[in-house]
Amino acid sequence: IAGITQAPTSQILAAGRRMTLRCTQDMRHNAMYWYRQDLGLGLRLIHYSNTAGTTGKGEVPDGYSVSRANTDDFPLTLASAVPSQTSVYFCASSPTGQGNDEQYFGPGTRLTVT
Amino acid sequence: GQNIDQPTEMTATEGAIVQINCTYQTSGFNGLFWYQQHAGEAPTFLSYNVLDGLEEKGRFSSFLSRSKGYSYLLLKELQMKDSASYLCAVRDENYQLIWGAGTKLIIKP
Repeated sequence: IAGITQAPTSQILAAGRRMTLRCTQDMRHNAMYWYRQDLGLGLRLIHYSNTAGTTGKGEVPDGYSVSRANTDDFPLTLASAVPSQTSVYFCASSPTGQGNDEQYFGPGTRLTVT
Repeated sequence: GQNIDQPTEMTATEGAIVQINCTYQTSGFNGLFWYQQHAGEAPTFLSYNVLDGLEEKGRFSSFLSRSKGYSYLLLKELQMKDSASYLCAVRDENYQLIWGAGTKLIIKP
């Protein structure tokens, strides 16, 4: 693994189903993030984690949950998917989340909820 | 509320220069980032400004005026591969990035 990976690449999901989007990084970054990107809108932060064992809510957390059991993994769970959660989801990481730290993005997961 | 404004779309000619503007109103300021995003791909980092002035990096330069809440990204000697969306993002008082909707740049031969 080099950098940050996400799985699946794309998914079609029936409304009401539970889904976990996976994110793994091998850069030993402390901070990780989940964003959604919708046409005409900027990236919107769903949840974040500044370090393993801690998580926080972003701008649009409702309907989503995260966990950060270790440094490398940051899964995002949709407990009961709804059509408004149709979006492209990006996971990102940064060394500390402070200063001039850039965020490194995974390739994204394209999710369609029908 | 927090707000980042960028033009939705711009068109430029190969070999020319283009300036993409970004204005922001955020709760606190801890730096401004520019990212490039090709269609169907992830954003990638271009530049970071935290002090007023111009930062130059090859064909790309980024300018910041904190008092005006304004930044621009300057792209010189445009190439076809520069066709992409350019995202402006501000790190707010909570150290979270607030993102603009992006500017789609179309390069014509």
